This record gives sequence, C-alpha cells and structure tokens, in this order.
Amino acid sequence: GAGVSQSPSNKVTEKGKDVELRCDPISGHTALYWYRQSLGQGLEFLIYFQGNSAPDKSGLPSDRFSAERTGGSVSTLTIQRTQQEDSAVYLCASSLALAGTGELFFGEGSRLTVL
Amino acid sequence: QKEVEQDPGPLSVPEGAIVSLNCTYSNSAFQYFMWYRQYSRKGPELLMYTYSSGNKEDGRFTAQVDKSSKYISLFIRDSQPSDSATYLCAMSASGQESGNTPLVFGKGTRLSVIA
Repeated sequence: GAGVSQSPSNKVTEKGKDVELRCDPISGHTALYWYRQSLGQGLEFLIYFQGNSAPDKSGLPSDRFSAERTGGSVSTLTIQRTQQEDSAVYLCASSLALAGTGELFFGEGSRLTVL
Repeated sequence: QKEVEQDPGPLSVPEGAIVSLNCTYSNSAFQYFMWYRQYSRKGPELLMYTYSSGNKEDGRFTAQVDKSSKYISLFIRDSQPSDSATYLCAMSASGQESGNTPLVFGKGTRLSVIA
C-alpha cells in the first residue's frame, strides 16, 4: 500500500539487548517523526527529521536511543541495552514539508516488549 | 503542569448520544489544533483540524477552540458503535509559514459507544 510501513509489528526482547525498529514513510513526504505510546501515557515525541536539516532529537529519553534516516526516506530507531520501561508501541509518522495542517500519517506501530 | 491535559476516560455512552471530549493546554503559542482518532492496534488518523479560535463542523463531528480559556472540544452527534476508539487532541505552535514543529498530544480519551 501507499501508507507508512513499520517493522517489526511486534518485538519481544530480553533486557539488555539492542533492538532496531524500521519505518518506511509515504513516498514524497520529507518530514518523519517517531513517537512512543505507553499505556495510559499518550504519544510522547521522540525525534523529528525534516529534509536535509539536522534532526530534532529533543524528545529522546536517554542516550540509549538513537535514530537515523538514510537517503531522506527510510528511518531506523535503535534502542541499546533495552530496559523494561522501554516497553511501548513505537509509532512512526510522516508528513509533507511545511504541512501546516499538521496532518501526520501514522504507521500501525512496532509493539516492543522487554522481558 | 503538562502542556496538554486530557481526561483518559474511559467514557461509555449509549448509541445515539452526544459525546463531548475536551482538552486544556497551557502554551498560549499553540494555534493549530487537531483531533486524531485511534482504533485499537492501529495508528492515529486525523479527524478534525482547526486553526486558532472558532468552530468547525464535519458531518457528525464539531471541533471548538477557545483560545482565551485554552480549551478545545470535540463533539460527536448521534454517536455510533463505530465511533468507539481513542480520541487524541494534538496541537502545535507553528504551521506552514515557519515549518513543522512536532505536535504535542494529549493522553487520549477512550470512548465506547454501546449499541
């Protein structure tokens, strides 16, 4: 389909392991966002990429979290040395540049469980 | 105080009822206001968008913004079981003129419409 694609849809890992989550945005969307959704906590902003500009990393909760976006398209969110509190749904969204309406198109998320 | 406050519910109403969902916020710079709907195990999708103060109507849905009170509302008329979902308010301070800044989301209100 033409929507935002995320993989894996579910990931179970052991505490201390590293995980990589992938996001494939809608073609032509230059802005890409990562949010985290924990039970009862709403959507927490993590990081934002806009074209070739430096990413806005202000929402990353610790230095164990990092993200990159290669070629202005696919993005990977990496969590090193996972902790149980990292368990959440990680949502990726994309939008057109200067989309003043704020319409973000979300993927279905990657559900991470850290045992 | 969080930037955006939203009662998480759950809210349960009978089919046909009028539903009122609300958010309050603290940042007076917010001027773009949205409501997203999220079905279980899906990503959020944009439902309504409003700029600055005023009302906007779309079918059974009406969005209201009162910037003087820092209060926004979503009304659903003639509610249907298919409206059962989590409704998240979202807002931002910038728009098309100055590029995107990440949306700030409320925690979401879980709504159940009972047939």
